[in-house]
Amino acid sequence: TQLLEQSPQFLSIQEGENLTVYCNSSSVFSSLQWYRQEPGEGPVLLVTVVTGGEVKKLKRLTFQFGDARKDSSLHITAAQPGDTGLYLCAGASRDSGYALNFGKGTSLLVTP
Amino acid sequence: DADVTQTPRNRITKTGKRIMLECSQTKGHDRMYWYRQDPGLGLRLIYYSFDVKDINKGEISDGYSVSRQAQAKFSLSLESAIPNQTALYFCATRGGGANTGELFFGEGSRLTVL
Repeated sequence: TQLLEQSPQFLSIQEGENLTVYCNSSSVFSSLQWYRQEPGEGPVLLVTVVTGGEVKKLKRLTFQFGDARKDSSLHITAAQPGDTGLYLCAGASRDSGYALNFGKGTSLLVTP
Repeated sequence: DADVTQTPRNRITKTGKRIMLECSQTKGHDRMYWYRQDPGLGLRLIYYSFDVKDINKGEISDGYSVSRQAQAKFSLSLESAIPNQTALYFCATRGGGANTGELFFGEGSRLTVL
């Protein structure tokens, strides 16, 4: 199993601040996905990255896949209370039939 | 109706009992997954299935078994439940490309083993 380490584990910030969440591994992934989970619900996909060095933007969220396809980051600009949730990265590789293995998650709280 | 439905949503049982968690989907996806979620540990893969005849063990399959009764149904069983199997269990389906498809999750089944 390829381990994905996420940092920080917890993050509490005020509305309007910027933040970055990291997802690191010693393994190379064919693709990496970011999900967001709210209490009482299943995770929901935010983005998929497949190419080393790829950068994707989704409104105030910017996702980057490392050049070596071993790491990724999620940057949120001007965080809002609606961004509160658990952010999970998940990697897939051909060795595991592209089954997704998840990191432990970053729990984000944005207060007004 | 939800695309991925899990039953039961909540279950309390005793050590040693057999438990089955059921999952059905209307998305028409071949690939289905069972994950468990514990606080601070993220989602861990238990079993996954690429079609009715293809079932694979995930990271933490010990103590669990599965059955893929049809394309739309994938059940998870605990033959003899133990307290450390207390967790939130998620079923998911995956469409799209093998490498890039999105996971669609059910609402979760919260299991407590006393």
